[in-house]
Amino acid sequence: DAGITQSPRHKVTETGTPVTLRCHQTENHRYMYWYRQDPGHGLRLIHYSYGVKDTDKGEVSDGYSVSRSKTEDFLLTLESATSSQTSVYFCAISERGVNLATDTQYFGPGTRLTVL
Amino acid sequence: AQSVTQPDIHITVSEGASLELRCNYSYGATPYLFWYVQSPGQGLQLLLKYFSGDTLVQGIKGFEAEFKRSQSSFNLRKPSVHWSDAAEYFCAVGARANDMRFGAGTRLTVKP
Repeated sequence: DAGITQSPRHKVTETGTPVTLRCHQTENHRYMYWYRQDPGHGLRLIHYSYGVKDTDKGEVSDGYSVSRSKTEDFLLTLESATSSQTSVYFCAISERGVNLATDTQYFGPGTRLTVL
Repeated sequence: AQSVTQPDIHITVSEGASLELRCNYSYGATPYLFWYVQSPGQGLQLLLKYFSGDTLVQGIKGFEAEFKRSQSSFNLRKPSVHWSDAAEYFCAVGARANDMRFGAGTRLTVKP
């Protein structure tokens, strides 16, 4: 298994509070991704990073920000959590890039976030 | 716009029986297609992928999938299901990780 950990694994918070989720990898892969998984929607990309301090938006980026100050860590922040952000959040990594013909994404175990 | 449809939300099969999970896609060019499996409490694991060449793709854990361009389908098959195959299965389409589209998933239950 790829060395990807996510913390916390479970979190319950209240509407309007800030929340930060952490993804940590030990593979030294360049690319990191944040997805959310909701019933009936599969996974949807929130943001991704292609290097330290280099990030870009995904399909559902509104209400989220990210930071990557070290190769191994990719943080996802909800500045003011809303109930619509209740979801399971997955981190993923890939070694060289976004071309999945030549690269593979590895996924972390997920963080279940509940916003009351 | 690209999209993926998995028509079956939940499928139940008996252990030892054959399995086929359906996936239909919409994509403007030659698609890259993927099947992932997610066991309870785990992240997604890649089973197999297709991006060119032979339309019958072999994957891990004894799974295979067949790309049929005329039907816009990429169905996943396994000849004999094991209890450990119980999981959720996701089909996805897209050439790049930052524009992939996932289906809503099919949950597989295996009866003893």
